[in-house]
Amino acid sequence: DSGVTQTPKHLITATGQRVTLRCSPRSGDLSVYWYQQSLDQGLQFLIQYYNGEERAKGNILERFSAQQFPDLHSELNLSSLELGDSALYFCASSVGVYSHEQYFGPGTRLTVT
Amino acid sequence: AQKVTQAQTEISVVEKEDVTLDCVYETRDTTYYLFWYKQPPSGELVFLIRRNSFDEQNEISGRYSWNFQKSTSSFNFTITASQVVDSAVYFCALSEAWGGTSYGKLTFGQGTILTVHP
Repeated sequence: DSGVTQTPKHLITATGQRVTLRCSPRSGDLSVYWYQQSLDQGLQFLIQYYNGEERAKGNILERFSAQQFPDLHSELNLSSLELGDSALYFCASSVGVYSHEQYFGPGTRLTVT
Repeated sequence: AQKVTQAQTEISVVEKEDVTLDCVYETRDTTYYLFWYKQPPSGELVFLIRRNSFDEQNEISGRYSWNFQKSTSSFNFTITASQVVDSAVYFCALSEAWGGTSYGKLTFGQGTILTVHP
């Protein structure tokens, strides 16, 4: 158990809908990262927050947004969902802002039908 | 731009064999970090090792060992006397060190599926 929690574990929704994925980092970690894992794209970095502020952005679609709250938990919002958004979404956390080992949560499997 | 290549898509071995997973990376940074993660069938990503670009010493942890060669931009992972529980997808990853604009972003390779048969 990495200490990173993600909810829900599974999510099935229809195209055009909006969903929110939630992540709680390990105790003491200030950075939260979101990654998307799909068969065709592999593991892709989406976004990083450090102590409430956005620090790095990957190829995150405009339909996706994230935030980190004062208690350090984070949410990833996915809107206007398309079939291609079906993937495993991982949250990870680390103690610092650079290059520290990242500990991953169990992931949220999103299926868009 | 950073890139990580794991040329071996799938490897199949019999228990007790040694197996090496290859990882080649590209970066323009002079300081960077390399990682290996394991993704067992249950799906979570498990951190195995982090190595900085200044430290080329090989590392051994039990049956696992890592060979970092800056001259060939490689960070290979060897499992000695493999076991069925080692069956998983293994990912190599790269990140910038301090001062970069990518902060903690990990760039992953495509992964190598390792199957260890009894």
